[in-house]
Amino acid sequence: GENVEQHPSTLSVQEGDSAVIKCTYSDSASNYFPWYKQELGKGPQLIIDIRSNVGEKKDQRIAVTLNKTAKHFSLHITETQPEDSAVYFCAAISSVNYGGSQGNLIFGKGTKLSVKP
Amino acid sequence: SAVISQKPSRDICQRGTSLTIQCQVDSQVTMMFWYRQQPGQSLTLIATANQGSEATYESGFVIDKFPISRPNLTFSTLTVSNMSPEDSSIYLCSTQEGNTEAFFGQGTRLTVV
Repeated sequence: GENVEQHPSTLSVQEGDSAVIKCTYSDSASNYFPWYKQELGKGPQLIIDIRSNVGEKKDQRIAVTLNKTAKHFSLHITETQPEDSAVYFCAAISSVNYGGSQGNLIFGKGTKLSVKP
Repeated sequence: SAVISQKPSRDICQRGTSLTIQCQVDSQVTMMFWYRQQPGQSLTLIATANQGSEATYESGFVIDKFPISRPNLTFSTLTVSNMSPEDSSIYLCSTQEGNTEAFFGQGTRLTVV
């Protein structure tokens, strides 16, 4: 099955700086890689996702890159703002069903991002 | 997109009792998922619930401890049975159709005393 590793576990940046969070995955059959932001007391919310047929996707200050050969993908946040402070999770899903079980999202352990004003 | 209403948002329960968490989706969905998120940790899948069939549980989770109902395509419940302090956690329901965006409820913060 899939295994997703996420680094760093905590990240502190100054407002206006960039933040980068990296994830690796183990299953070469994985083809969908979302990033979720979780604020305190709330459920995770999708901020950006990428599929295995593209190498990069950008949405305003947020971008995600994917290297299928190396099996890693990264989240890039530019011009960080205090409201970007949250826990960020990467995830991966495989198109392959294992043992009859439906493929489901496998999450990284999360990165707590703090943006200091 | 899907909007999920989850309740209760939090509860403090006595050990040995049970708590049922409800999730209502604003549209019909095939699959619903229940996750546990221990403090400061990632999301761990408890089980997958399809309407009209028994839930499929992940390793380490059993139906007697976490019975799930899925009576229709917009609703599901998760019960945490015979609770102990180790069950203190955030429980989240989610829906996802294939390899697409997953939507989450706001979570239920459970404290067992």
